[in-house]
Amino acid sequence: QVQLVESGGGVVQSGKSLRLSCAVSGISLSVSEILWVRQAPDKGLEWVTLISHNGEIRAGYADSVKGRFIISRDNFQSTVYLQMNSLIIEDTGVYYCATLGDGGSFDNWGQGTRVTVSS
Amino acid sequence: SYVLSQPPSVSVAPGKTARITCEGDDISSNGVHWYQQKPGQAPVVVIFFDSGRPSGIPERFSASKSANTAALIISRAEAGDEADYYCQVWDDSSGHRVFGGGTKLTVL
Repeated sequence: QVQLVESGGGVVQSGKSLRLSCAVSGISLSVSEILWVRQAPDKGLEWVTLISHNGEIRAGYADSVKGRFIISRDNFQSTVYLQMNSLIIEDTGVYYCATLGDGGSFDNWGQGTRVTVSS
Repeated sequence: SYVLSQPPSVSVAPGKTARITCEGDDISSNGVHWYQQKPGQAPVVVIFFDSGRPSGIPERFSASKSANTAALIISRAEAGDEADYYCQVWDDSSGHRVFGGGTKLTVL
C-alpha cells in the first residue's frame, strides 16, 4: 500500500532554515504528484505547495511561504523535499505530505512532522 | 484569493443527520473534496470530487452542492464520527489548493 513518511522537523530559531523530507513507498514517485500541507497549533489545514511527477511546480506556493520555501523531488530516492528558509514564528506547526489523486483530492497522507520556530 | 467558509462547529444527536456546509463563490463550478481529521491524526479523504466515496468510507457519508454552497452529509451519526471536517477545492485562477476553515462535529 502507499505509504508516506515525513522527517526533518524540529525546533529552530527564527530566521534559520530547515529541510523536510517525505519518503514515498508503494507507488512510483515518477508518476505521482506530491504536495505539502501544514497545520498550525489548534488551527486548520493550509495548502503549501505541490510538485508534479516531472518536477514542475505549476501551482506555485501559498502566499504565506512564497519566496522562502522550495519544493523539490528525487525520484531515484523516492523522496520529496521542502526546503524552508527564513523561518518565522508563524511557520510553526505540523507539516504533512500527501499524494494528489486522479480526482484532485489528497488521497494518501503521511503522519506529519512537527516544526517549531522559536524567537 | 478564493475563500471557503465553514461553520466552526456543528452538533448532532446520535442516529440523526449532520450537515456541514462550505460556502464559496460559484463553488458549483469546482470539484469539492471533504476530509475528516481526528485528534492527533492526519486527515483522511471521505468524499472526493463532489460525490466520490473512497473504499472503506461508509455509505452514511455523502455530499451535495448548489450554486455557492457545498455540504457534507453524515447520516445516522455515530460517536466515532466526531472529528474536524474540511472542504477543499482547486482555485483554477491561481492554481492553488484551498481549504475551508474546518468544522468541529460533535455527536451528543
